[in-house]
Amino acid sequence: TQLLEQSPQFLSIQEGENLTVYCNSSSVFSSLQWYRQEPGEGPVLLVTVVTGGEVKKLKRLTFQFGDARKDSSLHITAAQPGDTGLYLCAGAGYGGSQGNLIFGKGTKLSVKP
Amino acid sequence: DAGITQSPRHKVTETGTPVTLRCHQTENHRYMYWYRQDPGHGLRLIHYSYGVKDTDKGEVSDGYSVSRSKTEDFLLTLESATSSQTSVYFCAISEGLNTEAFFGQGTRLTVV
Repeated sequence: TQLLEQSPQFLSIQEGENLTVYCNSSSVFSSLQWYRQEPGEGPVLLVTVVTGGEVKKLKRLTFQFGDARKDSSLHITAAQPGDTGLYLCAGAGYGGSQGNLIFGKGTKLSVKP
Repeated sequence: DAGITQSPRHKVTETGTPVTLRCHQTENHRYMYWYRQDPGHGLRLIHYSYGVKDTDKGEVSDGYSVSRSKTEDFLLTLESATSSQTSVYFCAISEGLNTEAFFGQGTRLTVV
């Protein structure tokens, strides 16, 4: 059973388009992290959201944590080819425990010039 | 960039042989982790360490062992490599449990 479902799995868009990636769970997490991974590299943290309903912005990227802390979204405005990569969400504190980070399977984004 | 180095970066080995992957950090972080990343499965935790000689199992620990004799080094050993252990292995470090994780560049292991 996948605790964190990411959708879509693959996304191919043109430069300048907007997109949203979703990370959903039936479980509550104490926080949620978003990472981006480029080919041949390890994931790099983009943001951590902690409070239900929290919205964080990182240039053209907007991250939101659901009110119930079960889901999150990543919205990219005017995507650039440099945004290409694998986007991973990771949940911490699953079910109120101190358990380890749980990763979603990722969304592979390709932005064509 | 966080000071985390994995070695080797690439390895091909034969079924049944033992293999050891090394993770070295210069950040003095308490927590160290070994993940494997496979298509269709994402990142899955193998083992992690919360201090010198303190380790615990993750989601997919069967066939793997770890050791941490120094703060800076975390070793992952495949006791008898199998083809199902062909994967990309990532080491990660963090200051606290579930705080920001810094990942190494990965080791691509092929078991033939």
